[in-house]
Amino acid sequence: ETGVTQSPTHLIKTRGQQVTLRCSSQSGHNTVSWYQQALGQGPQFIFQYYREEENGRGNFPPRFSGLQFPNYSSELNVNALELDDSALYLCASSSASQTKSFYEQYFGPGTRLTVT
Amino acid sequence: DQQVKQNSPSLSVQEGRISILNCDYTNSMFDYFLWYKKYPAEGPTFLISISSIKDKNEDGRFTVFLNKSAKHLSLHIVPSQPGDSAVYFCAASTRPRDDKIIFGKGTRLHILP
Repeated sequence: ETGVTQSPTHLIKTRGQQVTLRCSSQSGHNTVSWYQQALGQGPQFIFQYYREEENGRGNFPPRFSGLQFPNYSSELNVNALELDDSALYLCASSSASQTKSFYEQYFGPGTRLTVT
Repeated sequence: DQQVKQNSPSLSVQEGRISILNCDYTNSMFDYFLWYKKYPAEGPTFLISISSIKDKNEDGRFTVFLNKSAKHLSLHIVPSQPGDSAVYFCAASTRPRDDKIIFGKGTRLHILP
């Protein structure tokens, strides 16, 4: 069984640029959530996708957007990058068909984004 | 406005002793609580959870206690092992199947030999 993978591992971008981060869900999982973890903070919920539709969103501006594909992999896009967007971006997958709660999410190792 | 607070950034415990990690919350609507463990260069790993209808949940060496009146929960690890050295995040949500989980800032646990 393949776990959650994310690419790239590290990324450096310039303020104002756009970035796309990718996530492959664990096999059999149909729900993907994205989190931002700034230095010294806990993960902060950005949004969740379930069967290719946005299923909830945290307090992030519209320049943070996402996609989920038919194979349940996902992308996080951030436009007009700001210095404060520098963080670890975590993707987590889960399966709504499980008898267990959504909360047993399986996290990927994250993408470290640095905006200069 | 931090709804989930972990006031101890770090904690050091002797191997074999009990580790107690604390968490406070402010939102009385929270009714589902979780603990995650994170090693460097890895994503958080789900450890244990508790529903607000319970005051204790146990899984092997890990026990979570919930005191709703004090809006406080704690994670007990007994006995502490070297592999327990990690960052522990307390998290909460308002419904069991809510999409939005609120995390605390984490506590770094060091298990001393």
